[in-house]
Amino acid sequence: EDKVVQSPLSLVVHEGDTVTLNCSYEVTNFRSLLWYKQEKKAPTFLFMLTSSGIEKKSGRLSSILDKKELSSILNITATQTGDSAIYLCAVSNDYKLSFGAGTTVTVRA
Amino acid sequence: NAGVTQTPKFQVLKTGQSMTLQCAQDMNHNSMYWYRQDPGMGLRLIYYSASEGTTDKGEVPNGYNVSRLNKREFSLRLESAAPSQTSVYFCASSAQGLNQPQHFGDGTRLSIL
Repeated sequence: EDKVVQSPLSLVVHEGDTVTLNCSYEVTNFRSLLWYKQEKKAPTFLFMLTSSGIEKKSGRLSSILDKKELSSILNITATQTGDSAIYLCAVSNDYKLSFGAGTTVTVRA
Repeated sequence: NAGVTQTPKFQVLKTGQSMTLQCAQDMNHNSMYWYRQDPGMGLRLIYYSASEGTTDKGEVPNGYNVSRLNKREFSLRLESAAPSQTSVYFCASSAQGLNQPQHFGDGTRLSIL
């Protein structure tokens, strides 16, 4: 059975802090790892990491895939209140995504 | 620029009633998916359609049926709703091929009394 585990389940930080979110996985036939941000409604796509692209960066967000350790981290630097959301990690094998339970990040002003 | 559109946004049903959730995408994507999201459990795949004309079971298919009506539309049907099916349902779509990100609709919040 495929398994995706995220930690921590939740955290509270203050504006300007740096946040590191973790995702570990056990899946058969790994294809890619994806990060999504979910505010009130639809999860929105952030990054996809594959064997040929193990590090991605966009503004204050960055992510690294460690295929040896079967894990990934998502970093958010200089956090803002708009970063408050649930961050979801998902792993793809063929056409299906297996999701972790998510990490709820709360950024206080 | 609609993306993935789900209807309805909210629905309350009584146990035993039937209901169809609608999903349409305008991105010319081949693959479509239905998930449910419950507190503390992330998103779980109910059914998916890798391409028009095909459907396959996901992780939690019991109590649900799907129809891929055409390339744009993928519906989810609850034949006899149960309280355990109270959840938020998300539809998603992706381009054909491996390593294509899925794009989600805004969800349907379904309560079954």
